[in-house]
Amino acid sequence: DSGVTQTPKHLITATGQRVTLRCSPRSGDLSVYWYQQSLDQGLQFLIQYYNGEERAKGNILERFSAQQFPDLHSELNLSSLELGDSALYFCASSVSGQNTEAFFGQGTRLTVV
Amino acid sequence: DQQVKQNSPSLSVQEGRISILNCDYTNSMFDYFLWYKKYPAEGPTFLISISSIKDKNEDGRFTVFLNKSAKHLSLHIVPSQPGDSAVYFCAATDDNAGNMLTFGGGTRLMVKP
Repeated sequence: DSGVTQTPKHLITATGQRVTLRCSPRSGDLSVYWYQQSLDQGLQFLIQYYNGEERAKGNILERFSAQQFPDLHSELNLSSLELGDSALYFCASSVSGQNTEAFFGQGTRLTVV
Repeated sequence: DQQVKQNSPSLSVQEGRISILNCDYTNSMFDYFLWYKKYPAEGPTFLISISSIKDKNEDGRFTVFLNKSAKHLSLHIVPSQPGDSAVYFCAATDDNAGNMLTFGGGTRLMVKP
């Protein structure tokens, strides 16, 4: 158990819909990251927050947004969903925001039908 | 452009022997490297890391070697155990990118009893 909690574990939704994925980081970790793992793309970095502020942005679509709340939990919002958004979405957390190991949650499997 | 590459999609090793997993990178700004292990339906689990100021880091059965001039790192597992069977990802980050991890495509390790 990494200490990072993601909910829900599975999500099935229709195209065009909007979903919210939630992540609670390890106790004491200030930094939260979101990654997407598609079948043919490996693990792709989406976005990082550090103590409530956006720190780094990867190839995150404009339809996707995230935020980190004062209690340090984070949410990833995916809207206008397309079939190609079906993937595993992982949240990770780390103590600091630089050059340190990140600990991953078990992921949310999103299926868009 | 894949900045981190794991050229062997799979590797099969006999129990008790050494497993060597390789990883190449192209971005000379990377200064921190990590290895993660991933079982099906779970998030990646941190294994071991190495800073670019070192060329070797050891933790129990796991040793990571870094060759900066060749932009190459490897993970040695000795002795290999059946429980080591999983997908192994190498990842890299640089000080200017927060802690954004760039992952390789993974190598599936199978350790045969």
